[in-house]
Amino acid sequence: GQQLNQSPQSMFIQEGEDVSMNCTSSSIFNTWLWYKQEPGEGPVLLIALYKAGELTSNGRLTAQFGITRKDSFLNISASIPSDVGIYFCAARIGGGSQGNLIFGKGTKLSVKP
Amino acid sequence: NAGVMQNPRHLVRRRGQEARLRCSPMKGHSHVYWYRQLPEEGLKFMVYLQKENIIDESGMPKERFSAEFPKEGPSILRIQQVVRGDSAAYFCASSPAGGMSTDTQYFGPGTRLTVL
Repeated sequence: GQQLNQSPQSMFIQEGEDVSMNCTSSSIFNTWLWYKQEPGEGPVLLIALYKAGELTSNGRLTAQFGITRKDSFLNISASIPSDVGIYFCAARIGGGSQGNLIFGKGTKLSVKP
Repeated sequence: NAGVMQNPRHLVRRRGQEARLRCSPMKGHSHVYWYRQLPEEGLKFMVYLQKENIIDESGMPKERFSAEFPKEGPSILRIQQVVRGDSAAYFCASSPAGGMSTDTQYFGPGTRLTVL
């Protein structure tokens, strides 16, 4: 079935460093989303991407919808301790504008002050 | 603006009991999705509902699990005769109506079910 391969699984970085993570698939999607989840909480939407090639920023976060529609990247610049959490990519399957999401397994980010 | 509300936040059940999880979508949202998350895993889709209709239940086990989203009141995910393997975090998400291509799902805080 369709699945998203998210990498890396985990990252340990120093405060101030830039972070890059990605999500790939063999399937084509119409929407890519990036969420952050903190312990005991639900995923919080960070960035939504709706068009191939789209590059969108949200503060220090930048995400891109791959031109092939099979991948997406998330970059975090100048990381700070509160960036700690698990970052999930998600993509919408199905042809319509509504429909369920499939999720990657997450990238766990740890930031050393 | 209240976000997606879920209750209870934590639920403990013994094997064989029933679990009822409730989800109130964001104001103005009429589409509800349920997902399950196991430890160290991403979320797995279970069911997608609109008011009084199940649109897609392809991710929900055929037995013991059911979901509804009545005209009035929250959406309910019901698990009958729970087993230890049902222990997980269950998340609800909602999105607005209208079929716009930019509709996005917003998640609640989840219900953590523990089956003893």
